[in-house]
Amino acid sequence: EAGVAQSPRYKIIEKRQSVAFWCNPISGHATLYWYQQILGQGPKLLIQFQNNGVVDDSQLPKDRFSAERLKGVDSTLKIQPAKLEDSAVYLCATRTSGGTDTQYFGPGTRLTVL
Amino acid sequence: AQSVTQLGSHVSVSEGALVLLRCNYSSSVPPYLFWYVQYPNQGLQLLLKYTTGATLVKGINGFEAEFKKSETSFHLTKPSAHMSDAAEYFCAVSGYSSASKIIFGSGTRLSIRP
Repeated sequence: EAGVAQSPRYKIIEKRQSVAFWCNPISGHATLYWYQQILGQGPKLLIQFQNNGVVDDSQLPKDRFSAERLKGVDSTLKIQPAKLEDSAVYLCATRTSGGTDTQYFGPGTRLTVL
Repeated sequence: AQSVTQLGSHVSVSEGALVLLRCNYSSSVPPYLFWYVQYPNQGLQLLLKYTTGATLVKGINGFEAEFKKSETSFHLTKPSAHMSDAAEYFCAVSGYSSASKIIFGSGTRLSIRP
């Protein structure tokens, strides 16, 4: 079974530029999460999708961050414009539904904002 | 509301010694509890999880954790540390519904001394 795919793996941009990350979930996984992991901290949930609908985006900075899940499969997370404090690893995770199901993580995208 | 506290941001043990990583949680509903491991430049991998039933949970790589409701704890242990166990470990808590999000602790970095 293929895992969660993310691209790019690394991205360096200057502040005020825009950036987008892509996630391809495991086939059949209805629930998809985007997390932000700042160095030395645990992952923080940004947004949760159930199929192509948003379940929770309470911690997504909506003035600069946006996310969508195309046809309930792939997802993109965008930052526009980026700030220095957005430097972090952005993790995508998916699971079949919720509750007890195991959450599978992608390798992450490491973003550096200069 | 749910939260997780991991005691000790860095733990160092000798190879062959007991590994003990501490986790305490707070939850207003019966919790699901998880331990994840993160190797450098990789995503998170599930070590073990507690949902219901037996309170002593065995995971991969010889790790186990015990759910103690009275102490609101879910400490991770391994009888004999191996050099390959060096990594970052995250405790997490979730509710049981499909819409529940997983809340992560801040992580504990485990170092193994030869």
